[in-house]
Amino acid sequence: QSALTQPASVSGSPGQSITISCTGTSNDVGSYNLVSWYQQHPGKAPKLIIYEGSKRPSGVSNRFSGSKSGNTASLTISGLQAEDEADYYCCSYAGSSTYVVFGGGTKLTVL
Amino acid sequence: QLQLQESGSGLVKSSQTLSLTCAVSGGSISSGAYSWSWIRQPPGKGLEWIGYIYHSGSTHYNPSLKSRVTISVDRSKNQFSLNLSSVTAADTAVYYCARDYALNWFDPWGQGTLVTVSS
Repeated sequence: QSALTQPASVSGSPGQSITISCTGTSNDVGSYNLVSWYQQHPGKAPKLIIYEGSKRPSGVSNRFSGSKSGNTASLTISGLQAEDEADYYCCSYAGSSTYVVFGGGTKLTVL
Repeated sequence: QLQLQESGSGLVKSSQTLSLTCAVSGGSISSGAYSWSWIRQPPGKGLEWIGYIYHSGSTHYNPSLKSRVTISVDRSKNQFSLNLSSVTAADTAVYYCARDYALNWFDPWGQGTLVTVSS
């Protein structure tokens, strides 16, 4: 069982927006603005798309955005495209004992 | 452009030690702000952070794996390594190496290498 809880799957049609939630606790997501999000296509390595809650690395589309409220972080993808179909993982710093926790991953299907 | 490449044995017998190396190119492993992590992903499952090493040699490990994990660095070869002892079938996974910024984020990642533990 993963430390952070994500929905197993979400879906949307091209052009629509979807949001993936990532629920942790006051020991991780709630205490630090250090949530990152990763996109993973089948057979590929994960790719960083959001860091420090809402920042986008250079080269990542502005269709990807991140936010946080309390113990829950969220990833929103707007203007869905077929290429967005992938698995998405959240990750949070969790202090100097546990260090890092990941979510179980969410499979995004573009209908 | 920084690149990471994992290498090592793809098949390990149960109870033996898994050994992998991550070669870093396009940048120095001694870059002050960064550390270097190992992360694994069992087939069809999610990601699990294993541990990291700073170029000074200081390490931090996932508490659930700490008793079996050793991560080391070879600055002369610009690479770092993972040893995981007493492996079982539960350790079968794709193992990734990645650069991390104070455990805030992981980027870039190596392509990953599948390690299968056989009985």
